[in-house]
Amino acid sequence: DTGVSQDPRHKITKRGQNVTFRCDPISEHNRLYWYRQTLGQGPEFLTYFQNEAQLEKSRLLSDRFSAERPKGSFSTLEIQRTEQGDSAMYLCASSLALGRLAETQYFGPGTRLLVL
Amino acid sequence: KNEVEQSPQNLTAQEGEFITINCSYSVGISALHWLQQHPGGGIVSLFMLSSGKKKHGRLIATINIQEKHSSLHITASHPRDSAVYICAASRRGGSNYKLTFGKGTLLTVNP
Repeated sequence: DTGVSQDPRHKITKRGQNVTFRCDPISEHNRLYWYRQTLGQGPEFLTYFQNEAQLEKSRLLSDRFSAERPKGSFSTLEIQRTEQGDSAMYLCASSLALGRLAETQYFGPGTRLLVL
Repeated sequence: KNEVEQSPQNLTAQEGEFITINCSYSVGISALHWLQQHPGGGIVSLFMLSSGKKKHGRLIATINIQEKHSSLHITASHPRDSAVYICAASRRGGSNYKLTFGKGTLLTVNP
């Protein structure tokens, strides 16, 4: 399967612990996105990378959140000192950007985080 | 008011019925996306359109740029079409990478 993969699929943690999620995009895609989705809501943009450069971070992404995409391949999203409000589905997507045209984003299965 | 609004929020239909889900947006867009999300989280892109109409199997998406409105139609609906359908906008200009999502429409098709 050559789609977007995410690991783990589920994570239960205690408040105050750190968690890290991984996303492996489609190999030739140069853009990678992280979104967060809470129950009954549409996804919300968190951050995105063009190759290895993180080009935008939403104000939803507090200082406890950090994302990296070393070498422009896989990406990690770390949440430090988790809070119960961080409980959500974290979605990763990737796309192949060609100039200024909008492109189709391909989503991974998501990581469902529950903070107790 | 959200920048992307969908209606209805919930929709129940009988197998075989024609389904319409509506999406209105208030931002300038370069493209409008329709996505499908099944229980468990996975999101699949159904359509990306910037004008007119697109068709794929029993699914049809239309957009009216002047009215800032798009519709997703499902003909001859089937229980396997049961899912959340999400409309999302790619903004026009430098932020065209960023999707702004509606809240989704939960469709249930009963046999």
